[in-house]
Amino acid sequence: GQQVMQIPQYQHVQEGEDFTTYCNSSTTLSNIQWYKQRPGGHPVFLIQLVKSGEVKKQKRLTFQFGEAKKNSSLHITATQTTDVGTYFCAGRRGAQKLVFGQGTRLTINP
Amino acid sequence: SAVISQKPSRDICQRGTSLTIQCQVDSQVTMMFWYRQQPGQSLTLIATANQGSEATYESGFVIDKFPISRPNLTFSTLTVSNMSPEDSSIYLCSGRYQGDGTEAFFGQGTRLTVV
Repeated sequence: GQQVMQIPQYQHVQEGEDFTTYCNSSTTLSNIQWYKQRPGGHPVFLIQLVKSGEVKKQKRLTFQFGEAKKNSSLHITATQTTDVGTYFCAGRRGAQKLVFGQGTRLTINP
Repeated sequence: SAVISQKPSRDICQRGTSLTIQCQVDSQVTMMFWYRQQPGQSLTLIATANQGSEATYESGFVIDKFPISRPNLTFSTLTVSNMSPEDSSIYLCSGRYQGDGTEAFFGQGTRLTVV
């Protein structure tokens, strides 16, 4: 079945450093979504990418969707302590269910 | 997005008993889902809750163990039956509106511990 692999599993950075997490799907996706889950919280939607090669920005967050629509990345510039949490990508092919990656847990040393 | 109220937020249950988790959405949603999340792990889809009909279960999950109801477009329940310590986990309900690619929104989760 469809799989979404996400790396790294953990990332610890100093506050102010950059952070990137990567997602790779075994199949072509119709779209990919990114979610953030704070410790003890529930996943919260961040963004959706639909077009091949699409790049979207939200303040310090930059999201990319690969040309083949099989991979995606989330890059955070100059991390802040409020960025702490686990970031999940979730892929969908057509109208099928969301398949979540394993998540990247980001911790930050202030 | 809609707001989902999920309860209970946590519970400690004896093995062999059952727990029913409820989710109430503040608007009508087309689709509702139930996930399980082990601490520090990803979300695993248990089933899609279908309004007025039997839920659609993912591989490894069965109706006898996880009966699901969805009597209308704003409410769903998940029961964890005949619990064992292996069922200890976080259970999340999720909803989304009609259409490919619409975002999913989640309830606050139920942290279940089976002793």
